[in-house]
Amino acid sequence: NAGVTQTPKFQVLKTGQSMTLQCAQDMNHNSMYWYRQDPGMGLRLIYYSASEGTTDKGEVPNGYNVSRLNKREFSLRLESAAPSQTSVYFCASSEDRAKNIQYFGAGTRLSVL
Amino acid sequence: DQQVKQNSPSLSVQEGRISILNCDYTNSMFDYFLWYKKYPAEGPTFLISISSIKDKNEDGRFTVFLNKSAKHLSLHIVPSQPGDSAVYFCAASAYSGGGADGLTFGKGTHLIIQP
Repeated sequence: NAGVTQTPKFQVLKTGQSMTLQCAQDMNHNSMYWYRQDPGMGLRLIYYSASEGTTDKGEVPNGYNVSRLNKREFSLRLESAAPSQTSVYFCASSEDRAKNIQYFGAGTRLSVL
Repeated sequence: DQQVKQNSPSLSVQEGRISILNCDYTNSMFDYFLWYKKYPAEGPTFLISISSIKDKNEDGRFTVFLNKSAKHLSLHIVPSQPGDSAVYFCAASAYSGGGADGLTFGKGTHLIIQP
């Protein structure tokens, strides 16, 4: 019972490089989310996907793009990484958007030099 | 502007005693509240939640209280155990009919259970 799986767990990039963070869930949830957590801060919503085929911006979407590949997978892309994007990224999924209990992956720790 | 505030960055409690973690919110549209627990290098784990139509929800050692008029909620852990040492996040959600847009988190409270 894997739940929400994120890859990679760690990544170091140089400024201007691009990369895609992968997320997959095996709970048949409709909604998926990407958050970032910076030191001493709570999690902040980057993008979310209410259902397959839809995506919407969250609180801090600048510098990111997302793709809801299918019901299971939701990827986050950094086209040109900046040091300000150094953070821990969490993917989450939820079944019921009314209750919105979200289940999180273990996170991707990203450093941009 | 922080819509969800956890004003205590850390809290130290003796094992066996009650731990009380507090959270305040400013957005009147929030209608569902959640508490998450997080260990280092892991993702947040859902702990307990409460709908705005209730004022209390209990699950084993964990109880969440909601005071809508004060825009305040609290998490009680009784009795506190060493494994409860973690960072606790308060989160809130607003359902608009089309669905919730995501959770709004507080900055977290680091709970330390002393033996």
